[in-house]
Amino acid sequence: DAGVTQSPTHLIKTRGQQVTLRCSPKSGHDTVSWYQQALGQGPQFIFQYYEEEERQRGNFPDRFSGHQFPNYSSELNVNALLLGDSALYLCASSLVRTQTGELFFGEGSRLTVL
Amino acid sequence: GQQVMQIPQYQHVQEGEDFTTYCNSSTTLSNIQWYKQRPGGHPVFLIQLVKSGEVKKQKRLTFQFGEAKKNSSLHITATQTTDVGTYFCAAGYSTLTFGKGTMLLVSP
Repeated sequence: DAGVTQSPTHLIKTRGQQVTLRCSPKSGHDTVSWYQQALGQGPQFIFQYYEEEERQRGNFPDRFSGHQFPNYSSELNVNALLLGDSALYLCASSLVRTQTGELFFGEGSRLTVL
Repeated sequence: GQQVMQIPQYQHVQEGEDFTTYCNSSTTLSNIQWYKQRPGGHPVFLIQLVKSGEVKKQKRLTFQFGEAKKNSSLHITATQTTDVGTYFCAAGYSTLTFGKGTMLLVSP
């Protein structure tokens, strides 16, 4: 049973560039959430996708966008990168009907913006 | 939205000592989840508390949810080097608001 997989694991970009991060949820899960974790901080909610639609969004600018595909996998896109976008980007999957609310996190994609 | 504050930010203990981290909110919470993140790793779910005054145990870990549902704690008895990591509390269900975490270092 594959857990949550993310790619790439590490990447370096320069200011102004665009980046796409990918996530495959845990088998059987239908909901994908993205979190940004700056160094020394807790994860911060970016947005959540269910049934290929953005269902909830945190306090992030429109430069952050996403997509969910019919197979439940998801992409996070960030445009016009800023130095402050350097962080670990975590994908978390869950099942909308779950009673526990437990999130399963992937290993993350560590983005460095120079 | 729900916000949670965690204290302490950091604690260094000798192996065998106890450890406690606290999570506080100014508003009543619907629930509290706890996660552990090992250095260089990703958050891993430990437990969820929902009921007022709830206490749950997992081996050496004891989790409590306050009577007013505004605070929670995680207590580790007789720490081991494998307990090293950052412990986060988080409020909400699938869209979580995380605290800043408490980093635990354990010296052998």
